[in-house]
Amino acid sequence: KAGVTQTPRYLIKTRGQQVTLSCSPISGHRSVSWYQQTPGQGLQFLFEYFSETQRNKGNFPGRFSGRQFSNSRSEMNVSTLELGDSALYLCASSSLSYRDRGPYATNEKLFFGSGTQLSVL
Amino acid sequence: AQKVTQAQTEISVVEKEDVTLDCVYETRDTTYYLFWYKQPPSGELVFLIRRNSFDEQNEISGRYSWNFQKSTSSFNFTITASQVVDSAVYFCALSEGRDDKIIFGKGTRLHILP
Repeated sequence: KAGVTQTPRYLIKTRGQQVTLSCSPISGHRSVSWYQQTPGQGLQFLFEYFSETQRNKGNFPGRFSGRQFSNSRSEMNVSTLELGDSALYLCASSSLSYRDRGPYATNEKLFFGSGTQLSVL
Repeated sequence: AQKVTQAQTEISVVEKEDVTLDCVYETRDTTYYLFWYKQPPSGELVFLIRRNSFDEQNEISGRYSWNFQKSTSSFNFTITASQVVDSAVYFCALSEGRDDKIIFGKGTRLHILP
């Protein structure tokens, strides 16, 4: 079974540009979450999509947006890039969303991709 | 508010030593989930364990063991007889029952020296 695939692996942009990152979840997974990882802030949650609907959103400005397609693939877009947006962006997929979990569910877990390393110059 | 604290930024031990990674969490929910993830140099986060707030039993998986104590809001991770391949950044994380967000700690970078 193929894992979570993120493209591109590396990206270099300049301030003011916009960027689109792609994530293909594990086949059959309907939940896709996005995270930003920086040395200073660590791993921070961006948003989660389930069946093409945004379910949760972290504390990021409106420049960060995303969407999910009917095949569960997801894209994340950052507009008007700033130097501070330089980070590793990780995508994770899951077969279940919280509504499907019970307190004793033990098999639900996130599967992460290798990430897209974005450098803003 | 949810919060995960990993006070140890970086740890170095010699191969075959035991090492414990600390994790302290804060939550107001009675239903929550705790996780540990490993991030090797390749960057991909690898799931290690998920623990429900209802289950305080400690868990052992090979050389890995986890000590969950609600009284101290801690979920510590011990590697026994460490190996060089265990070198990675380890993240502790928390998810509240009604939410899909997972809040991560800042991570502990573990160096296992040969």
